[in-house]
Amino acid sequence: IAGITQAPTSQILAAGRRMTLRCTQDMRHNAMYWYRQDLGLGLRLIHYSNTAGTTGKGEVPDGYSVSRANTDDFPLTLASAVPSQTSVYFCASSRTSGSSNEQFFGPGTRLTVL
Amino acid sequence: KNEVEQSPQNLTAQEGEFITINCSYSVGISALHWLQQHPGGGIVSLFMLSSGKKKHGRLIATINIQEKHSSLHITASHPRDSAVYICAVVLRSGAGSYQLTFGKGTKLSVIP
Repeated sequence: IAGITQAPTSQILAAGRRMTLRCTQDMRHNAMYWYRQDLGLGLRLIHYSNTAGTTGKGEVPDGYSVSRANTDDFPLTLASAVPSQTSVYFCASSRTSGSSNEQFFGPGTRLTVL
Repeated sequence: KNEVEQSPQNLTAQEGEFITINCSYSVGISALHWLQQHPGGGIVSLFMLSSGKKKHGRLIATINIQEKHSSLHITASHPRDSAVYICAVVLRSGAGSYQLTFGKGTKLSVIP
């Protein structure tokens, strides 16, 4: 693995189903983030983790949960998907959560909830 | 009101033109990032600024903290510069960490 990866690349999901989006980084970054990108709204932070074992809520956390059991992985779970969660999801990481750190983005997951 | 405003929303330029994309923000910030999103969707970081000016190849980014304004310039534009350029400001969250708040992006198309 080089950098940050996401899986799946795309997914079509029936409303009400549970879905976990995977994110893995091999840069030993402490901080990780989940964003959603919607047309006309830009990127918005869903959840973040400053270090393994801790997580926090971003701007639009409702309907999503995250865990950070180790440094490398930061999965995002939709417990019961709804059509408004149709979006492109980006995972990102940075060396630390400090203000001067560059964020590295994964390639994104395109999710459609029907 | 969005805390980060970019202009223009869309920009079409002829190859070789000098391009300027603007970003204004309404709150005090720790730093500002410029990002590029390719037509395929991938996002890469171009610059992180907290003051002054940075240059990388044909790209120049400037920031004026007092005026709460940043600009991204592209000299001698090329069709491969066609992308969405996103401004993001670094705000300190209530939990003591720093989070990015994004503008909606400027879609640049450079025509040969």
